[in-house]
Amino acid sequence: DGGITQSPKYLFRKEGQNVTLSCEQNLNHDAMYWYRQDPGQGLRLIYYSQIVNDFQKGDIAEGYSVSREKKESFPLTVTSAQKNPTAFYLCASSRQGVGQPQHFGDGTRLSIL
Amino acid sequence: QKEVEQDPGPLSVPEGAIVSLNCTYSNSAFQYFMWYRQYSRKGPELLMYTYSSGNKEDGRFTAQVDKSSKYISLFIRDSQPSDSATYLCAMSEPEGDSSYKLIFGSGTRLLVRP
Repeated sequence: DGGITQSPKYLFRKEGQNVTLSCEQNLNHDAMYWYRQDPGQGLRLIYYSQIVNDFQKGDIAEGYSVSREKKESFPLTVTSAQKNPTAFYLCASSRQGVGQPQHFGDGTRLSIL
Repeated sequence: QKEVEQDPGPLSVPEGAIVSLNCTYSNSAFQYFMWYRQYSRKGPELLMYTYSSGNKEDGRFTAQVDKSSKYISLFIRDSQPSDSATYLCAMSEPEGDSSYKLIFGSGTRLLVRP
């Protein structure tokens, strides 16, 4: 079955540590996205990529970094510069073009030790 | 003011009731409208997708868009306990620098009581 796989499901970060969240899709989608979801705030866009080897900052990119070396993969690194990283992180993908619906993985919950 | 407003709920209804979920928005450029369902500790799942104004029906679900009022609705008929989830609306513009972006409401939590 086609879909988006995020791993791990739960992740714990120590102070000063960088952690990387994995996102893989086999939907053959060109565009991929990372969102952060906090209670009562909805989804906020961190980074997005419309094509391999290219990505753009979203609304809350500070303290995060991404890479897009393969079409199927869009890992997110939460750096030590992100002072409030505890959240539910969601990866999504879509076909290229305006108005395309996005399809989501099941998320990674990141907590601070 | 947020671009998309959605009542957080929770909305509690008895099984079999008709449920109405709503979002209002401020950007008249939005043309694409979506509803997602999100179960606890899961990712959002696309339920309905509409372009511009009008109604769309899929089984027990009906999505309605009123662009003149900047108001969208999702109706659920014969609601079931399995419909208990958070419902997120999302929308986007047809062109321009922001056309790649989905703008989400904060979600309405629905509880259907057996």
